[in-house]
Amino acid sequence: AQKVTQAQTEISVVEKEDVTLDCVYETRDTTYYLFWYKQPPSGELVFLIRRNSFDEQNEISGRYSWNFQKSTSSFNFTITASQVVDSAVYFCALSENTGNQFYFGTGTSLTVIP
Amino acid sequence: SAVISQKPSRDICQRGTSLTIQCQVDSQVTMMFWYRQQPGQSLTLIATANQGSEATYESGFVIDKFPISRPNLTFSTLTVSNMSPEDSSIYLCSAAQDRRGYEQYFGPGTRLTVT
Repeated sequence: AQKVTQAQTEISVVEKEDVTLDCVYETRDTTYYLFWYKQPPSGELVFLIRRNSFDEQNEISGRYSWNFQKSTSSFNFTITASQVVDSAVYFCALSENTGNQFYFGTGTSLTVIP
Repeated sequence: SAVISQKPSRDICQRGTSLTIQCQVDSQVTMMFWYRQQPGQSLTLIATANQGSEATYESGFVIDKFPISRPNLTFSTLTVSNMSPEDSSIYLCSAAQDRRGYEQYFGPGTRLTVT
């Protein structure tokens, strides 16, 4: 079974629109960590955020915000007032307390149209 | 955070040959990993590079095909052996400061094409 599901394969929005990228995870561990990464067309993976399972507070960083809900096993990512530079593939990832591996979702390709 | 460099950034290789990819981290890190990302796909973990001992391979990956070295806490190499066109991928090195729950920082990747 897929541990991290990103159901949205591709999303296109017009510049300045808000967009939410969905991430649903599956784990039996009570301690785990969730991440979001951005992969722009240049290819490098850029770390955006890390959240542990005991901290359900939402986080805001500039135009980015993250909504972590354990009740629905979701860790969604919202970009407010999107810009062309936000165009990239975004990956959600899970790290469990019982191993070293990251489980990556399949990614959501976001295109922001000027 | 850690800054990671990889060499080469890209290469075109002939079937049957081998390529060694180098990964250098700007600080000592506990964990180093190697991933493969096939075109348009997510990342697949190949192995965890262990300093001073044999790498730990994930299911579907074997040492004979992907030998890995990690002589110290800042450097690792991945060799793709006896290459075939199916090995055409981006190979990414990553590093984490500690064992569990720490964010991984990624190198820029090596784009490999096998003809």
